[in-house]
Amino acid sequence: AQSVTQPDIHITVSEGASLELRCNYSYGATPYLFWYVQSPGQGLQLLLKYFSGDTLVQGIKGFEAEFKRSQSSFNLRKPSVHWSDAAEYFCAVASNTGKLIFGQGTTLQVKP
Amino acid sequence: EPEVTQTPSHQVTQMGQEVILRCVPISNHLYFYWYRQILGQKVEFLVSFYNNEISEKSEIFDDQFSVERPDGSNFTLKIRSTKLEDSAMYFCASSAMSPLHFGNGTRLTVT
Repeated sequence: AQSVTQPDIHITVSEGASLELRCNYSYGATPYLFWYVQSPGQGLQLLLKYFSGDTLVQGIKGFEAEFKRSQSSFNLRKPSVHWSDAAEYFCAVASNTGKLIFGQGTTLQVKP
Repeated sequence: EPEVTQTPSHQVTQMGQEVILRCVPISNHLYFYWYRQILGQKVEFLVSFYNNEISEKSEIFDDQFSVERPDGSNFTLKIRSTKLEDSAMYFCASSAMSPLHFGNGTRLTVT
């Protein structure tokens, strides 16, 4: 069965520092992968997606993610974090029926 | 940019009451979904809807739940007799194919 694991429940970084949020998936075929961000009291906003092609995908707000099939990973990165990036981040994989399967989420705290 | 809109943003209800959560998907989308997020937990799939019928549902989506697209624009989730454990954030989503676009959610509190 498809699944997504986000090993880090909570991460704290200093403003201006680089960020990497980990995501591992389990899926038999070529996965469709997504990162969503949820600010407090808000819905889920799509940051970026991977369907095929270039394994390094660029998203909104300066985020990027790299698909590594050998590691079953799709880690999210940002070179320099801003205070407004504090939020919860969800990695997801699309099942063969189209629904999304989410990871547990990683809460990002940004220190001034 | 078109958005998925959900109403109300917050609903408080007593245990045993019926609630209807409303969603207006993006107008040219064909696939509709409901997800829920219990406080502090992951976002869980409830049901998907296509061509005026349920295409897939999870084990959470039992007989207490139903979905409807009553007028070609709204997409509703009904919980017939709410339980305390139904307290959660409920998200509607729609898509043309992929990706899913989510609404801001309805926070349901069952007392």
